[in-house]
Amino acid sequence: KQEVTQIPAALSVPEGENLVLNCSFTDSAIYNLQWFRQDPGKGLTSLLLIQSSQREQTSGRLNASLDKSSGRSTLYIAASQPGDSATYLCAGGSTLGRLYFGRGTQLTVWP
Amino acid sequence: SQTIHQWPATLVQPVGSPLSLECTVEGTSNPNLYWYRQAAGRGLQLLFYSVGIGQISSEVPQNLSASRPQDRQFILSSKKLLLSDSGFYLCAWRLGQGGNIQYFGAGTRLSVL
Repeated sequence: KQEVTQIPAALSVPEGENLVLNCSFTDSAIYNLQWFRQDPGKGLTSLLLIQSSQREQTSGRLNASLDKSSGRSTLYIAASQPGDSATYLCAGGSTLGRLYFGRGTQLTVWP
Repeated sequence: SQTIHQWPATLVQPVGSPLSLECTVEGTSNPNLYWYRQAAGRGLQLLFYSVGIGQISSEVPQNLSASRPQDRQFILSSKKLLLSDSGFYLCAWRLGQGGNIQYFGAGTRLSVL
């Protein structure tokens, strides 16, 4: 069974910093890797999906990379803003869409 | 466009009472459907998934069951709730053929007292 770990558990930074959130997984036979954002008490919003055959995906200020051989994914957030404050979750996807989540990184960006 | 609805948004139930949470998807056909639970201090855990009407797969043994009586309806149930059933329940869907991204509902906050 896929085990997913996210580091750090929490991060507090001033506005404008570039950030790196880390995700590691145990099963390299991953089908895809998804990054989500969760605001307090809300559902999840998909940010980026990387297929197992891809190395990275970009959307605006977000860039996610995937290294299957080392079992790692990284979410890079450029020029952070207070509106980026949320919990960021990574999930390893297997066949039939089963997702295995990490516990998340709680990000606070202060003005 | 596709939308996913979950209700109720919050629920407070006594131990031993029954449970029924409903999730419906609009704007798509034959979606794959999923129930997750987010317990305090723990990550999101997949509970059930369904690839079609009447087809339910369980990821973990527990006090809960799921049913899919219609193509776009997914129901999470329990006959007798336990304290450990408290948590944030999320329903999700993705395209049944070739879909990868999962889309989540707003969730139901369940407190069992």
